Amino acid sequence: SAVISQKPSRDICQRGTSLTIQCQVDSQVTMMFWYRQQPGQSLTLIATANQGSEATYESGFVIDKFPISRPNLTFSTLTVSNMSPEDSSIYLCSVMRQYTGELFFGEGSRLTVL
Amino acid sequence: AQKVTQAQTEISVVEKEDVTLDCVYETRDTTYYLFWYKQPPSGELVFLIRRNSFDEQNEISGRYSWNFQKSTSSFNFTITASQVVDSAVYFCALSEEVSSGSARQLTFGSGTQLTVLP
Repeated sequence: SAVISQKPSRDICQRGTSLTIQCQVDSQVTMMFWYRQQPGQSLTLIATANQGSEATYESGFVIDKFPISRPNLTFSTLTVSNMSPEDSSIYLCSVMRQYTGELFFGEGSRLTVL
Repeated sequence: AQKVTQAQTEISVVEKEDVTLDCVYETRDTTYYLFWYKQPPSGELVFLIRRNSFDEQNEISGRYSWNFQKSTSSFNFTITASQVVDSAVYFCALSEEVSSGSARQLTFGSGTQLTVLP
C-alpha cells in the first residue's frame, strides 16, 4: 500500500481563521483526492488535484473556501479558509496508485472549529 | 449518477459469529470498480478490497469474503468468526473507470457500524 502522511493529525481552530493540511505520499501518484467526513457521516469528495493543473471541485465546494495546491507528484495541500464550526470534520487525502487503480487514504486530519 | 446504499446503519454481534454487511449500488457505467474500506475508531481508512465490474468471482481473504452479484447490483461483505478487533465502520464505495485499469474518485455509502461484543 502507499504510505500517505497527513499533517496536522488534529487541530482546534478559532472561527474565522484558516488552516492548511498537508498530504505527502511516498511515491509519485497521478491523481490525489481530498475528502471531507463530517461527524458521524460518510465521506464526500471535495476536489481532485492533478499535478500541473487546477483542482477540479465537486458541487458544493469552491476554490475560495478550499484552495488546493499540487506542486509535484508526491505532495498536495488543502486549505480550509475562514473557518466556521460547520467545517469541523475529518479531512482525508486519497491517492490512486497508477496502473493498479487502488485507492488509499491518509490517516486524516481531524479539525475542530470553535 | 452513481449511488451506493448500505441499508444497515448498525450491527451488533457476539464474538465468533459470522456477519454480513450489505452493499447495493447504482451506476450507468458498464465498467466500474467496487471497494470496501474499514474505518476503526482511530479514524484512518483501511483499504480491504477492489473489484472490477467484469470480475464476478467471489473472493476470500482469511476471515473476509466478498460476494459480487452483478444481477442484483450487490457487493456484500462477510466476516467469518468475528473478533472484537473487527469493530469499526465499514464503507462500501463505487468508482467509474477513467482509463483502462484506473479508477477515479469514489462514491461512498453511508457506512455500517459493526460492533463485536466479547
